[in-house]
Amino acid sequence: GAVVSQHPSRVICKSGTSVKIECRSLDFQATTMFWYRQFPKQSLMLMATSNEGSKATYEQGVEKDKFLINHASLTLSTLTVTSAHPEDSSFYICSARMPQGSNEKLFFGSGTQLSVL
Amino acid sequence: GENVEQHPSTLSVQEGDSAVIKCTYSDSASNYFPWYKQELGKRPQLIIDIRSNVGEKKDQRIAVTLNKTAKHFSLHITETQPEDSAVYFCAARDGNKLVFGAGTILRVKS
Repeated sequence: GAVVSQHPSRVICKSGTSVKIECRSLDFQATTMFWYRQFPKQSLMLMATSNEGSKATYEQGVEKDKFLINHASLTLSTLTVTSAHPEDSSFYICSARMPQGSNEKLFFGSGTQLSVL
Repeated sequence: GENVEQHPSTLSVQEGDSAVIKCTYSDSASNYFPWYKQELGKRPQLIIDIRSNVGEKKDQRIAVTLNKTAKHFSLHITETQPEDSAVYFCAARDGNKLVFGAGTILRVKS
């Protein structure tokens, strides 16, 4: 399958700081990427859809100013958690969709475990 | 929007037995249904998917069945092995995105 790279895999930060997470499609161009949040033993909750060259589409209840998404190229989307607080601690995971052929297939990054102290 | 329900939440089977996980969806317009396997702390991996123009698809020990009329689809794993132990998520496509079920923790006892 396609390769999606996500960095960092783990980050610990102080409350009030901002954290940037990168998601890259390594062997294909992704016009659309998705950002999810996953709590322990729970499902994947879609936060936003990242569209190359345009504004992200956020799900209901997700703060746009809190979770900044940038999709500046066909292979890179970033999620910035601004002014992080302990309640933002979670597993964040991105995914990218293959643009050709079986274009429904989603491939996931390895995830980022964020811990806010 | 789409709503996906998944059952059971946990499933324990003996090695070699079969495991079945079931999902229902609400939007009859949904036409793509993938299944993902996620091991602890790792990324979800696509293991099989099915489109609404077929009723069954098989890949070695894994099969998926789809009943469009009843709006449910199931994952079947035969001859289970300890390495099949993981969390399994079903999903249904809702427009541009996937809506995931709550997940099933599968434990294969050796």
